[in-house]
Amino acid sequence: DIQMTQSPSSLSASVGDRVTITCRASQTINSYLNWYQQIPGKAPKLLIYAASNLQSGVPSRFSGSGSGTDFTLTISSLQPEDFATYYCQQSSSIPFAFGQGTKLEIK
Amino acid sequence: QVQLQESGPRLINPSETLSLTCTVSGGSISSYFWTWIRQSPRKGLEWIGYIHSSGTTNFNPSLNSRVTMSVDTSKNQFSLRLSSVTASDTAVYYCARTTVTSADTDFWGQGTLVTVSS
Repeated sequence: DIQMTQSPSSLSASVGDRVTITCRASQTINSYLNWYQQIPGKAPKLLIYAASNLQSGVPSRFSGSGSGTDFTLTISSLQPEDFATYYCQQSSSIPFAFGQGTKLEIK
Repeated sequence: QVQLQESGPRLINPSETLSLTCTVSGGSISSYFWTWIRQSPRKGLEWIGYIHSSGTTNFNPSLNSRVTMSVDTSKNQFSLRLSSVTASDTAVYYCARTTVTSADTDFWGQGTLVTVSS
């Protein structure tokens, strides 16, 4: 199975900050990497698919990059509604594993 | 806008079978993967598996021997059965839609907490 490792596990930042979250796969997954945002008590929401494609309706301050084994999610200017937990997921091979999550908190 | 809603028992006894149904509205069940994912504090987000509208399935090998899925295109529903449950199967269970192209999961149900306890 492919293992997904996110860093950091938690992050404190302020409104307006630029934030980057990293996800590493234990073997190459090409660009089959998705990013989700989860607010407590809610289902995850798709932000980025296929490593760098912005899901419809998601603000352009979110962006994704990477291929192979190393990927990043960047939020260019944090807004109050962005404080949540973020997950990466590989969709290259079964099982489609998730990372352990990165909790983004207000500084 | 596609919407998904999970239904089924919220409390089940150890060793019994967990059964959940997901009803899809606002779109056709055809030509997508229909996925079950669960979330618990201990294991985080865990991908259980999917069923295609054609009936093709793929499951997480860690659960493979206990999982079955079915789809009823006439009712726009798909279902999960997980047998021989234990307390470690206690989780929030989500049903969701997964695209065939890049296998991203773009629509999710609200989730339902299933507790395994006697």
